[in-house]
Amino acid sequence: DAKTTQPPSMDCAEGRAANLPCNHSTISGNEYVYWYRQIHSQGPQYIIHGLKNNETNEMASLIITEDRKSSTLILPHATLRDTAVYYCIVRVQSFNKFYFGSGTKLNVKP
Amino acid sequence: DAGVTQSPTHLIKTRGQQVTLRCSPKSGHDTVSWYQQALGQGPQFIFQYYEEEERQRGNFPDRFSGHQFPNYSSELNVNALLLGDSALYLCASGRDPSKGGISRRGYEQYFGPGTRLTVT
Repeated sequence: DAKTTQPPSMDCAEGRAANLPCNHSTISGNEYVYWYRQIHSQGPQYIIHGLKNNETNEMASLIITEDRKSSTLILPHATLRDTAVYYCIVRVQSFNKFYFGSGTKLNVKP
Repeated sequence: DAGVTQSPTHLIKTRGQQVTLRCSPKSGHDTVSWYQQALGQGPQFIFQYYEEEERQRGNFPDRFSGHQFPNYSSELNVNALLLGDSALYLCASGRDPSKGGISRRGYEQYFGPGTRLTVT
């Protein structure tokens, strides 16, 4: 599985959009980009995933660059409850294991 | 539906001892994966069980072993505990892709709350 690089931490004001970047320059054509988050040592929680098209669901939007070497997770209106560590993961769809990096600690401030 | 459950919640052991952690998967799931998460780091894949067999393994020594039961629940055993084994141990369950485990949310793994192991 390809390796990912994320900034260790980011701050965001409550109510503003949080944009979390991820670099995955060695991604293969059949690898998907997944985002999970982990709130205060609970189990990681699925947010969104995509292959090459931008994706949106009730939680977030995922923007993947055309060359697929990087992506951005967007939380449109961050709340205090979005304070968590966010992990960007790339994986082949048919494989079941995830390789987590160190993630980005998002601090949402009032 | 209870989701993924793990027991115990917390555990304190002494170096050299052995420990067994338990996981019950979400209803309808047949694969169980185990992860170790040291403080301040992301989860690291230990191994995965499917049909009562170890199917994939990460870079962990043989001191780490596991088992899956016919009801899909699983145990993680760690022998000869070291101080460095202190971590949050996470269990994740899923439905094998060959049995339709890929949905519009991709291949889903649901994580349990974890077991906090402290080795002194």
